[in-house]
Amino acid sequence: EIVLTQSPATLSLSPGERATLSCRASQSVSSYLAWYQQKPGQAPVLLIYDASNRATGIPARFSGSGSGTDFTLTISSLEPEDFAVYYCQHRLNWPLTFGGGTRVEIK
Amino acid sequence: QVQLVQSGAEVKKPGASVKVSCKASGYTFTGYYMHWVRQAPGQGLEWMGWTNLNTGGTSYAQKFQGRVTMTRDTSISTAYMELSSLRSDDTAVYYCARVFYSDSRGYPTAFDYWGHGTLVTVSS
Repeated sequence: EIVLTQSPATLSLSPGERATLSCRASQSVSSYLAWYQQKPGQAPVLLIYDASNRATGIPARFSGSGSGTDFTLTISSLEPEDFAVYYCQHRLNWPLTFGGGTRVEIK
Repeated sequence: QVQLVQSGAEVKKPGASVKVSCKASGYTFTGYYMHWVRQAPGQGLEWMGWTNLNTGGTSYAQKFQGRVTMTRDTSISTAYMELSSLRSDDTAVYYCARVFYSDSRGYPTAFDYWGHGTLVTVSS
């Protein structure tokens, strides 16, 4: 089973700042990595798939990069609605697994 | 628009079973797979398995094999997830999630639509 480790666990930033979230895989997952945003009491929302492809309707301030074992989700300038928990997820093989999440909170 | 509407919250005793439904609309039901993901209170996301909504074929995470059954009723565009022998650590929000594919590798690219979640509480 592939383990995805996200860091930091919590990121405290102000609106307008740049957020950089990391996801590291226990083995190479090529570019088969997705990112999701989850707000309290809501289902996750797909942001990025295959490491760098924005999902439909996702603003351009969200971008993904990386391949192999190291991936990054960048939010170029935080909007108030971006404060949430973010998860990465691989699709290299079964079982699909998720990272433990990074909470982006208002500083 | 694509919608996945799940059944309401459940409270079950240890050892019981629960069956969660997920009614799909806004797309061709049998053209996709449905996956199930759960989230314990304050915890992360855990993948449980999938149903091929066309053939009824299934595949489950090893952790849940023997306790989970995923089915579908194409006449009402509804997928189901039944979990048996419930324990307190099965207390979680259970989500159904549609997947899409961007290649032919056989693994879903990502979960593009999610149900709103069903809270299952297991308590004596």
